[in-house]
Amino acid sequence: GQNIDQPTEMTATEGAIVQINCTYQTSGFNGLFWYQQHAGEAPTFLSYNVLDGLEEKGRFSSFLSRSKGYSYLLLKELQMKDSASYLCAVIGGTYKYIFGTGTRLKVLA
Amino acid sequence: DAMVIQNPRYQVTQFGKPVTLSCSQTLNHNVMYWYQQKSSQAPKLLFHYYDKDFNNEADTPDNFQSRRPNTSFCFLDILSPWLGDAAMYLCATSRETGTGAEKLFFGSGTQLSVL
Repeated sequence: GQNIDQPTEMTATEGAIVQINCTYQTSGFNGLFWYQQHAGEAPTFLSYNVLDGLEEKGRFSSFLSRSKGYSYLLLKELQMKDSASYLCAVIGGTYKYIFGTGTRLKVLA
Repeated sequence: DAMVIQNPRYQVTQFGKPVTLSCSQTLNHNVMYWYQQKSSQAPKLLFHYYDKDFNNEADTPDNFQSRRPNTSFCFLDILSPWLGDAAMYLCATSRETGTGAEKLFFGSGTQLSVL
């Protein structure tokens, strides 16, 4: 079967660092995406990993371990506007994007 | 700016009354997708088009159909909506590169209510 697991909710303080984990079990693997989704809005692209290791993009970094079926999104210097849901998505086959239910992040002042 | 546009932003329909949601894109992407997302749930793929080739997910109800008359436009038809179809409907596109693994560009979504 196809399964993607993320924590449902996380809380962190403005200026802090938070790590959002994602584990997956899929019948194929063509890469893993992270998307940010503010309430009532469409998801927006954050990062893409297809090889093992860390990809850094400003305040956001994403890590992948294919052998462990594991990824994380690291957010540094948290800002209030980072309060959103963060969706992990795996491409299990050609054009088959499988989304996790998302992690709702609350950033507190 | 090139983008994916969905209309309307909010749609209210009645139980059993057919409704059509529309999506257009200026990105000239080959692949277009329709996702259904219910509150606090993952987006669920309903179907996708690769050019004019239609690909239906096995668990997409027959009540949902789609049309793609040209590269730019794609429509989602809900033939007989029921309360369980109330959700956000997201249109997305991606650029075909031969890997089937390009990022998705989403429209702003249509929030459907069924009364």
